[in-house]
Amino acid sequence: DTAVSQTPKYLVTQMGNDKSIKCEQNLGHDTMYWYKQDSKKFLKIMFSYNNKELIINETVPNRFSPKSPDKAHLNLHINSLELGDSAVYFCASSQGLMGGVGYTFGSGTRLTVV
Amino acid sequence: KNQVEQSPQSLIILEGKNCTLQCNYTVSPFSNLRWYKQDTGRGPVSLTIMTFSENTKSNGRYTATLDADTKQSSLHITASQLSDSASYICVVSPTDGGSQGNLIFGKGTKLSVKP
Repeated sequence: DTAVSQTPKYLVTQMGNDKSIKCEQNLGHDTMYWYKQDSKKFLKIMFSYNNKELIINETVPNRFSPKSPDKAHLNLHINSLELGDSAVYFCASSQGLMGGVGYTFGSGTRLTVV
Repeated sequence: KNQVEQSPQSLIILEGKNCTLQCNYTVSPFSNLRWYKQDTGRGPVSLTIMTFSENTKSNGRYTATLDADTKQSSLHITASQLSDSASYICVVSPTDGGSQGNLIFGKGTKLSVKP
């Protein structure tokens, strides 16, 4: 069974569109995250959700909005997509805020904005 | 400023050879240090995790070391295999959660194992 699953794996869309990426974890973790990995392969955290509450929101444009219907899901909605949004987006989960032993990443969603 | 620096940026070795990847960090105090392996097109997968009081941790052919005094860690890969070709990322978890929440990532070392 996949522990942290993201859909879709690939997403190609035009500038200005609105899109969503879904993430689900079956590990029973209470914290989920979204990361962005740019062309230089550097992972940067975007959001963290703990018990359905947003606890970290880095300097991310407000076009990005995380939505968590329950603690097993954290979806990422992006409005008015821009070329610079092209990257690989990773979902992750852990038990606790401090990134404990069980910190697990999904396989990523490659977003290409044209 | 909490930072994690890795070297080399990229490395090419022949199959069967050993190699060592380096990680220097300025994160202090920290809770734990991890090494992740990221295959092309996949998410990072945890190899080892060490608390500040541990010196070494092994996972098969992977052995990580930690020197908390010099703030250095290394990942040693023994008898490399073609499947070891990947990016290896050093990650430090600050005790206070850090400015990014809880994990400070290095930029990774891209390892290529050639036959």
